Amino acid sequence: DAGVTQSPTHLIKTRGQQVTLRCSPKSGHDTVSWYQQALGQGPQFIFQYYEEEERQRGNFPDRFSGHQFPNYSSELNVNALLLGDSALYLCASSFRGGQLGEKLFFGSGTQLSVL
Amino acid sequence: AQRVTQPEKLLSVFKGAPVELKCNYSYSGSPELFWYVQYSRQRLQLLLRHISRESIKGFTADLNKGETSFHLKKPFAQEEDSAMYYCALKWGGSNYKLTFGKGTLLTVNP
Repeated sequence: DAGVTQSPTHLIKTRGQQVTLRCSPKSGHDTVSWYQQALGQGPQFIFQYYEEEERQRGNFPDRFSGHQFPNYSSELNVNALLLGDSALYLCASSFRGGQLGEKLFFGSGTQLSVL
Repeated sequence: AQRVTQPEKLLSVFKGAPVELKCNYSYSGSPELFWYVQYSRQRLQLLLRHISRESIKGFTADLNKGETSFHLKKPFAQEEDSAMYYCALKWGGSNYKLTFGKGTLLTVNP
């Protein structure tokens, strides 16, 4: 099991462009969450997907949107990129119904640079 | 509002010394707290969670609701413990969120 895989690993975009990041969850997992980690900060929750629906959302504008597919993989889309969107984007997967609650497994992240 | 505070950005100790990484939280409901660790060039991974009351790699953490703290402790630090440590608060029920602190970089010197 490769665990949580994210693609691409690095991405460079210019202001105003749109970007799509991809995540494949760990085998057996059905829930995907996305986090933004700016330099020197802890991860900040963007949103969570379960059963192909957005279930919870953090304090991020509508420019940030997502999708979950029937195979549980997920995409994060960011429109009208701003310089401040430059960050490491982390995907985390989990399985609802696990004992002692869910355990999150993180991917290695996509480093997005907006110029 | 939900908040996690890790007051120390950097913590440096010598091998064999005790180590304590502080974490305080703000949450009006029943908290569920975690410690995550990121070793150099590795992905973020769960270290321990308060509900399982486990000791992982010699680390323990006790939830103190009165002091709203969840400090991470280890009696004898090892060089391989050097890493970035994040405290996190889970809230929001089944459709939950994790709020992370800003992290503490622990360096264990030989």
